[in-house]
Amino acid sequence: EAQVTQNPRYLITVTGKKLTVTCSQNMNHEYMSWYRQDPGLGLRQIYYSMNVEVTDKGDVPEGYKVSRKEKRNFPLILESPSPNQTSLYFCASSLFWGSDYGYTFGSGTRLTVV
Amino acid sequence: AQSVTQLDSQVPVFEEAPVELRCNYSSSVSVYLFWYVQYPNQGLQLLLKYLSGSTLVKGINGFEAEFNKSQTSFHLRKPSVHISDTAEYFCAVSDSGNQFYFGTGTSLTVIP
Repeated sequence: EAQVTQNPRYLITVTGKKLTVTCSQNMNHEYMSWYRQDPGLGLRQIYYSMNVEVTDKGDVPEGYKVSRKEKRNFPLILESPSPNQTSLYFCASSLFWGSDYGYTFGSGTRLTVV
Repeated sequence: AQSVTQLDSQVPVFEEAPVELRCNYSSSVSVYLFWYVQYPNQGLQLLLKYLSGSTLVKGINGFEAEFNKSQTSFHLRKPSVHISDTAEYFCAVSDSGNQFYFGTGTSLTVIP
């Protein structure tokens, strides 16, 4: 089944403890992206990647890192999480960086930083 | 950068009634337009998209949307809603760049 898989689905952590949220797609998509969803703000893009070893900042990149060493994986790294990073996170992929294909989304990761 | 405005944050509607969810975007240059649906505790699913051609686009689950270039709008409609349509709906725009721009979402609640 074609899908984007995120792990974990739920995570509670403490301020300052490094964490990684994994994202993997099995569709050979070139384009991958991370979003955070907050009430009243909709989805805001954190980082995106057009292909292996090509990443760039979205609208809200502060406090996050990403890497794209393999085509299928695009992990999101929070080096020192803070409570304002409590949010619902979505990974998404698209066949190419040209935007007419739309996204396939993962099921989300609900992160709570205390 | 684009901006996307979803004019209604919450829309309650009775079962079998018609519904329209409104979406306006900021730029008049060539854009691609999308509607996504998010059911509770799930990721977003693509409902429909407009790339070019006919301004009336049909999607899954009986939804359709009409692209209006002069009004920079892309409103979503369904003639008769079901309980199962209760969800969050997001309008998204891309201007052929590397980013999608999402609206803040409209929560559709279908009342039995």
